[in-house]
Amino acid sequence: GDSVTQMEGPVTLSEEAFLTINCTYTATGYPSLFWYVQYPGEGLQLLLKATKADDKGSNKGFEATYRKETTSFHLEKGSVQVSDSAVYFCALSDTNAGKSTFGDGTTLTVKP
Amino acid sequence: DTAVSQTPKYLVTQMGNDKSIKCEQNLGHDTMYWYKQDSKKFLKIMFSYNNKELIINETVPNRFSPKSPDKAHLNLHINSLELGDSAVYFCASSVPGGYGYTFGSGTRLTVV
Repeated sequence: GDSVTQMEGPVTLSEEAFLTINCTYTATGYPSLFWYVQYPGEGLQLLLKATKADDKGSNKGFEATYRKETTSFHLEKGSVQVSDSAVYFCALSDTNAGKSTFGDGTTLTVKP
Repeated sequence: DTAVSQTPKYLVTQMGNDKSIKCEQNLGHDTMYWYKQDSKKFLKIMFSYNNKELIINETVPNRFSPKSPDKAHLNLHINSLELGDSAVYFCASSVPGGYGYTFGSGTRLTVV
């Protein structure tokens, strides 16, 4: 079945550091790929998405590129802020299965 | 505001009680979901409904019963609550085509 493997956390960075959270996936079809962010005490929010190979999703300074050859969708940001502290989830959506599969989440803490 | 709204936000109850969580979306989405998030932030799908029809029913104790009176509402009833049911329960909705989910803000259930 489909699966998503995320870089284990927690990740702690200083403000303005470069962020990478690794995500790899296994899927039988051609899934869409997503990153969601969950701020403390809130629900998940869609951060960015990519629907086909080589697509780049971007939002709020975050980027991720759909790499079919390496089955990866790594999240990057050039300069993190304290306000980026949250839990980040990588996910894939296989339209045939009718549901999304989520990774285990990576907790990011950014210190001033 | 267009959104997925859940009530209540917090629910504290004793073991053995029966409780319900309500979810409503005004986005016009056809598909709605219930997810359970444990204390380690792991997300597990419980149920999915498409236009009032149950399409996903993961391995969930039959004490949990979803009900969808119309495509804008998906409620979750839990009988004979147990300590292990303590978690945050998220409702979500989506449209076909790999656009991602819109999540509610969650219901934190604590069973004492």
